[in-house]
Amino acid sequence: AQSVTQLGSHVSVSEGALVLLRCNYSSSVPPYLFWYVQYPNQGLQLLLKYTTGATLVKGINGFEAEFKKSETSFHLTKPSAHMSDAAEYFCAVRNNFNKFYFGSGTKLNVKP
Amino acid sequence: GAGVSQSPSNKVTEKGKDVELRCDPISGHTALYWYRQSLGQGLEFLIYFQGNSAPDKSGLPSDRFSAERTGGSVSTLTIQRTQQEDSAVYLCASSSRQGHTEAFFGQGTRLTVV
Repeated sequence: AQSVTQLGSHVSVSEGALVLLRCNYSSSVPPYLFWYVQYPNQGLQLLLKYTTGATLVKGINGFEAEFKKSETSFHLTKPSAHMSDAAEYFCAVRNNFNKFYFGSGTKLNVKP
Repeated sequence: GAGVSQSPSNKVTEKGKDVELRCDPISGHTALYWYRQSLGQGLEFLIYFQGNSAPDKSGLPSDRFSAERTGGSVSTLTIQRTQQEDSAVYLCASSSRQGHTEAFFGQGTRLTVV
């Protein structure tokens, strides 16, 4: 069975600082990887995804993530945090049977 | 439709009553998922449909929970004899069959059992 681990249920950064949200997955086959963002009282919105090809993936709002097969990681980064980035972020893996596995989420707090 | 639609958006029910939550996926999406998100918690998988069949219903918490999907489209999640611990946001998502595509989420139904 596959699983997704997000290190840190809460991350706090200052506005303008680097954002790094960690995601590790377990998978016996090359996975499809996703990051979603959830703003308060809203559904989940896709930030970015990795399927094949370039391992550095760029998404919306200046976020990017790098697929590292050797480390089974797909960490999410943003060079400079903005107050509007405060939200909960979920990493997900989709397996070959179309099932999505989600991490437990990381709440990002951005301090002024 | 343009996106995944869930209804109602909010539901308050008395303990012991039955509730039905509806999900209308994106047209043409064969896969449909139900998740539960309790206050301050992550996403709890409930059930997955491929077409009208449910190859994975391992996440349904008890036999009070059931779900069906008809015509490969609309899905209904039914909770019988609701309990206070059922209070949560129930999220529905759909995706196409192609493995590289993402799941599209609805806005959720906030269920409160009083």
